[in-house]
Amino acid sequence: GAVVSQHPSRVICKSGTSVKIECRSLDFQATTMFWYRQFPKQSLMLMATSNEGSKATYEQGVEKDKFLINHASLTLSTLTVTSAHPEDSSFYICSARRVQGQETQYFGPGTRLLVL
Amino acid sequence: AQSVAQPEDQVNVAEGNPLTVKCTYSVSGNPYLFWYVQYPNRGLQFLLKYITGDNLVKGSYGFEAEFNKSQTSFHLKKPSALVSDSALYFCAVRDRGSTLGRLYFGRGTQLTVWP
Repeated sequence: GAVVSQHPSRVICKSGTSVKIECRSLDFQATTMFWYRQFPKQSLMLMATSNEGSKATYEQGVEKDKFLINHASLTLSTLTVTSAHPEDSSFYICSARRVQGQETQYFGPGTRLLVL
Repeated sequence: AQSVAQPEDQVNVAEGNPLTVKCTYSVSGNPYLFWYVQYPNRGLQFLLKYITGDNLVKGSYGFEAEFNKSQTSFHLKKPSALVSDSALYFCAVRDRGSTLGRLYFGRGTQLTVWP
C-alpha cells in the first residue's frame, strides 16, 4: 500500500504557457500533501503544504500566484506552474501523508518539467 | 530550528562490505527520523523510520539505522552492500509536535557500491 502517482512524468512546454501536475494517492486518503522542487544533485526544497479543502501554505520565497496548488479531495492535489519560464525547469515531487496521524510521507515518482 | 546534516556527499564501498551513511540532526522537540532512497529520475522511496521504542530500526532491503539521542545521530547501515544499493540517500527529520508533519531533509549522500 501507500502508492502515490504523479502525472505527467515528463512535460516539455513553451515559455509563457501553464502546466498542471497531478499528484494522487492511489490506495489511501491523504490529509496533507507536500510539493517539492529538486535541482540536479541537490536536496528537496519544500515549496508548499496543502491540506484538503483549505488554502496551501507556501514556503518563504515561493510565489503563490505562480505555483497554484489545489487540494480538491483526499486523494488529489494539483500544482499548476503559471506562465512558465525556463528557470522553472526542474524536477517536481509530491508526497502525501495518510489520514489518522501517520508519520510517514510517501512520495510520488516525480515530474520532469522542461520549459523552452 | 530543525536541520539535518549529512556530512558526506559521497560514500564509496565495495560490494559485500558493510556500509554506513551518516546523519545528524537538530530539532527543537523529540524527533521522528526517516531514511529515503532516490534512484535517478525517480521520487523518493521510504526505507525506514524511528518513531519510538527500540533504538535499532530495521527497514527495507536489509538496511537498518540506529537512533542515538545523546549524539543526535541516525546513521544508516547495511552489513553487506550490493551494487544495486547505489543511489542517493536522504535523511529526514520531523518535529514530533508538528501538526502539518513537515520533513526537513539533509542534502543527500550519493552511495556508490562497486563490484
